[in-house]
Amino acid sequence: QSALTQPASVSGSPGQSITISCTGTSRDIGAYNYVSWYQQHPGRAPKLLIFDVTDRPSGVSNRFSGSKSGNTASLTISGLQAGDEADYYCSSFTASSTVVFGGGTKLTVL
Amino acid sequence: EVQLLESGGGLILPGGSLRLSCAASGFVFTNYVMSWVRQAPGKGLEWVSSVSGGAYSTYYADSVKGRFTLSREDSKNTLYLQMNNLRVEDTAVYYCARGKNFGDYRLFEYWGQGTLVTVSS
Repeated sequence: QSALTQPASVSGSPGQSITISCTGTSRDIGAYNYVSWYQQHPGRAPKLLIFDVTDRPSGVSNRFSGSKSGNTASLTISGLQAGDEADYYCSSFTASSTVVFGGGTKLTVL
Repeated sequence: EVQLLESGGGLILPGGSLRLSCAASGFVFTNYVMSWVRQAPGKGLEWVSSVSGGAYSTYYADSVKGRFTLSREDSKNTLYLQMNNLRVEDTAVYYCARGKNFGDYRLFEYWGQGTLVTVSS
């Protein structure tokens, strides 16, 4: 199972919005609405931001939102803040009953 | 408060064995699917294995199938990962993670702080 494809890096200024893409196949992202997004600050454990494509766990800011079209999912962060600078990972359930992650995207807040 | 505390990591020779443990608290352990996710130094996340509540079903990544065994002891609120025939490429921080319900391991709602496994000669 190949990893999902994410851009290596994205950047934005405070207050702006950015979008991170996550591309898979018809056997993972395209097959299920089971895409999740995680935020990981350096030296810390990942944190769940989005699950089932669009849902946010309790306590996660509504500045984070998710979407999906075909085999590609996206995470949008609006009103960028300095604290949003981190690595972001997407994941999807697959037709092989496994879970696959993306390679990760480093977000820099300029 | 949900807490997951991993232990058992360390330095091991290629071909060796190691058992990781994850002590859980703050929730009814038997009611939730539990998983291990690893992260090689400077690399991304990789799902390793999951076990449903009650240990009815277990699932493994192809990269560890046949070498790793996942189990849980619900009476002790503890998750285990027995790792045999370790390879250099198994070097990673291993995170214990809890799912959202009994059998759904497609997402990881809570994470431990991780334990480092280094496989090297």
